[in-house]
Amino acid sequence: GENVEQHPSTLSVQEGDSAVIKCTYSDSASNYFPWYKQELGKRPQLIIDIRSNVGEKKDQRIAVTLNKTAKHFSLHITETQPEDSAVYFCAASIYSGSGGGADGLTFGKGTHLIIQP
Amino acid sequence: KAGVTQTPRYLIKTRGQQVTLSCSPISGHRSVSWYQQTPGQGLQFLFEYFSETQRNKGNFPGRFSGRQFSNSRSEMNVSTLELGDSALYLCASSQRQSTDTQYFGPGTRLTVL
Repeated sequence: GENVEQHPSTLSVQEGDSAVIKCTYSDSASNYFPWYKQELGKRPQLIIDIRSNVGEKKDQRIAVTLNKTAKHFSLHITETQPEDSAVYFCAASIYSGSGGGADGLTFGKGTHLIIQP
Repeated sequence: KAGVTQTPRYLIKTRGQQVTLSCSPISGHRSVSWYQQTPGQGLQFLFEYFSETQRNKGNFPGRFSGRQFSNSRSEMNVSTLELGDSALYLCASSQRQSTDTQYFGPGTRLTVL
């Protein structure tokens, strides 16, 4: 099955600096890559996702890049703010097509992002 | 639209008992996926239901089962509880399949004593 590795496990950055979280996946058939943010005691919330026909996607201060050849994808947060402090999870999934659904999301172990004032 | 809801929010059980958790998806969503979240293993996929059928299953023992009703509401059941089943159980709904945007519920915190 799919295996997703996420690094680093903890990332501390100064407010206003950029943060980068990296993930690698094992199954070249994976074609959907979402990123979730989970604040303490709250549910995971989707912040951005990318599909395998796209190399980069941006949404304001957040961007995700995908390198299918190397089987890795990264989350970039610019101009970090205190409210960005949370645990971030990457995930990968295979869409089976033909209405057959997908294999479910395989998550990385998470990155605890700490924004230092 | 109302978000994904899960009941109960907290549950305490003892080893050997069984438990049923419930998930109500966002209106119009037909796919419901279940995940187990623990500090050690992180978020792990349990199974996905679509149109009352289990469409995919993760690598969990047969003690973990689920079902989906015609209104897309889903339940998961864990029989013969073990200490290691203590976790946050999250369900997520999406429109058709799990590669559509998944929206998570608040989770059910299960503690097994």
